Amino acid sequence: DAGVTQSPTHLIKTRGQQVTLRCSPISGHKSVSWYQQVLGQGPQFIFQYYEKEERGRGNFPDRFSARQFPNYSSELNVNALLLGDSALYLCASSQLSGGGYGYTFGSGTRLTVV
Amino acid sequence: RKEVEQDPGPFNVPEGATVAFNCTYSNSASQSFFWYRQDCRKEPKLLMSVYSSGNEDGRFTAQLNRASQYISLLIRDSKLSDSATYLCAVYDTGRRALTFGSGTRLQVQP
Repeated sequence: DAGVTQSPTHLIKTRGQQVTLRCSPISGHKSVSWYQQVLGQGPQFIFQYYEKEERGRGNFPDRFSARQFPNYSSELNVNALLLGDSALYLCASSQLSGGGYGYTFGSGTRLTVV
Repeated sequence: RKEVEQDPGPFNVPEGATVAFNCTYSNSASQSFFWYRQDCRKEPKLLMSVYSSGNEDGRFTAQLNRASQYISLLIRDSKLSDSATYLCAVYDTGRRALTFGSGTRLQVQP
């Protein structure tokens, strides 16, 4: 069975550009969450989507946006990239909206902003 | 104060040693607790959930102390393959989000 898949795996962008990251959840999972992990820190919550609706939002600027599609896949968009946006972006999948059973993470997209 | 705090380590231990990590959390209403393992430049992987009664999975034991608001992870008979960063995570029902600590790095040496 395929796990959580993310694309691309690596990305290099220039300051001011825009980026779109993609995530496909585990089959049957309806919830997708996005996390940002900078070097030396734990992952930080960005968004949660369940049944195509935003159910949670972390403390990130409006440059960050996301959406979930009818097939439950998701995209994370970041506009006007800053050097500080360089990080590993992780997508997590779960069957339900709640995270009481833990999440399964994809292998991430490593974004470098130069 | 951070919502979830961990000692960053590194903990350098010989093979076969027992090592324990603690993690404190600030939200007393938290209901779900987890330990994740993260290898260098990889994604976090769920190691185990932490239950009030404590739980064990092979060489790993997790405990929760709600009164003092900390969770712990004990690793017995450490293996070289246990070398990784261990992240504790607390689920915030209101935000529908996991809040992670910064991780504790473990290096098991031959």
